[in-house]
Amino acid sequence: GAGVSQSPSNKVTEKGKDVELRCDPISGHTALYWYRQSLGQGLEFLIYFQGNSAPDKSGLPSDRFSAERTGGSVSTLTIQRTQQEDSAVYLCASSEDSTNEKLFFGSGTQLSVL
Amino acid sequence: DQQVKQNSPSLSVQEGRISILNCDYTNSMFDYFLWYKKYPAEGPTFLISISSIKDKNEDGRFTVFLNKSAKHLSLHIVPSQPGDSAVYFCAASGDGGSQGNLIFGKGTKLSVKP
Repeated sequence: GAGVSQSPSNKVTEKGKDVELRCDPISGHTALYWYRQSLGQGLEFLIYFQGNSAPDKSGLPSDRFSAERTGGSVSTLTIQRTQQEDSAVYLCASSEDSTNEKLFFGSGTQLSVL
Repeated sequence: DQQVKQNSPSLSVQEGRISILNCDYTNSMFDYFLWYKKYPAEGPTFLISISSIKDKNEDGRFTVFLNKSAKHLSLHIVPSQPGDSAVYFCAASGDGGSQGNLIFGKGTKLSVKP
């Protein structure tokens, strides 16, 4: 595709439910990142994938959060047993590789946990 | 503790004048700095970057200045245009840009008035 695609664009869920957020990076980009932006906050790093290397999960806030990247392309961020504090915009980005600082972001998924 | 700080949450400037957005950082290991621009309901887009071996980088109307001794960088936009109205995020990296974990500030909302 022309850019990074994220789905859904909006997700409303009830506290305690699981959610899955999807990211389609730019074709050929080997590096993929997940960030989130809570209201009034900056972008908070969550997880980073580079090629076939083990992902950098250092930003995941709890073990309720997990992500995978299948076939080196599409990525899914899963949040189990959602809490109200999980409400945020979840942004996915990709870059040509880990040495390229120019990240291309998707439009994000607005997650609202009621 | 915030490692990248944008102390002005908002800035209003008249069209044609200069916009100066400021950013401070605390980690002396940061050696690559970037500015991203974000419109509502869109993901951030890369604007300009600077390596710590430089003190200035210019791209058209946009110039970034880096003062390493003060751990301070600024983005100058001149002349400012109404289309520049957006949220501007400062970001820093500690490994020449190759680290997957960019640290972002909270952003400054720029409003350029016609």
